[in-house]
Amino acid sequence: ETGVTQTPRHLVMGMTNKKSLKCEQHLGHNAMYWYKQSAKKPLELMFVYSLEERVENNSVPSRFSPECPNSSHLFLHLHTLQPEDSALYLCASSQEEGTSIANEQFFGPGTRLTVL
Amino acid sequence: QQPVQSPQAVILREGEDAVINCSSSKALYSVHWYRQKHGEAPVFLMILLKGGEQKGHEKISASFNEKKQQSSLYLTASQLSYSGTYFCGTVNTGNQFYFGTGTSLTVIP
Repeated sequence: ETGVTQTPRHLVMGMTNKKSLKCEQHLGHNAMYWYKQSAKKPLELMFVYSLEERVENNSVPSRFSPECPNSSHLFLHLHTLQPEDSALYLCASSQEEGTSIANEQFFGPGTRLTVL
Repeated sequence: QQPVQSPQAVILREGEDAVINCSSSKALYSVHWYRQKHGEAPVFLMILLKGGEQKGHEKISASFNEKKQQSSLYLTASQLSYSGTYFCGTVNTGNQFYFGTGTSLTVIP
């Protein structure tokens, strides 16, 4: 247990569905992240929130919509996804002094997403 | 943008040493190293900062050549528990963070 939890752990959805992934950190950190990990591809940083403000959005399609209501919770809202969006989605958190990632990130166990 | 790691895969016998390299095309502020075991989340190993500061586990060693924009992770006297995929993550001077291509390390008895 790293102090970062993610739900659900597995999700199967159709291309017309709307679903949300949830991440919660119990570490008192002030920065949270969403990553995508596809088979045979590196971890891709999708979104960064620092002090509940989005500070980075790496050209992610608009069908992925993040939400950070407070420093402990992070959501990833999904709608009209494509089969190529099937992947492991990892959430992480860290304690940062600025907007740069300078400290250890603690990762959650991930949500395995399959888009049919 | 994404750092390149080498080798892509390596197989070691217990007790052998290995070096994993990470190379970036951009000037770097810091390099992060993580290990991910199959079916698990990545786990932090260490961070090397421009200027020589390091944060991380004492048993893991690494180097950061700022001029060459490269970092190397040194695994000595490998144990079975070292098996996994090793990722470097780089923060460039534009404040962008990218994980590397990964190196699969397998330690066999």
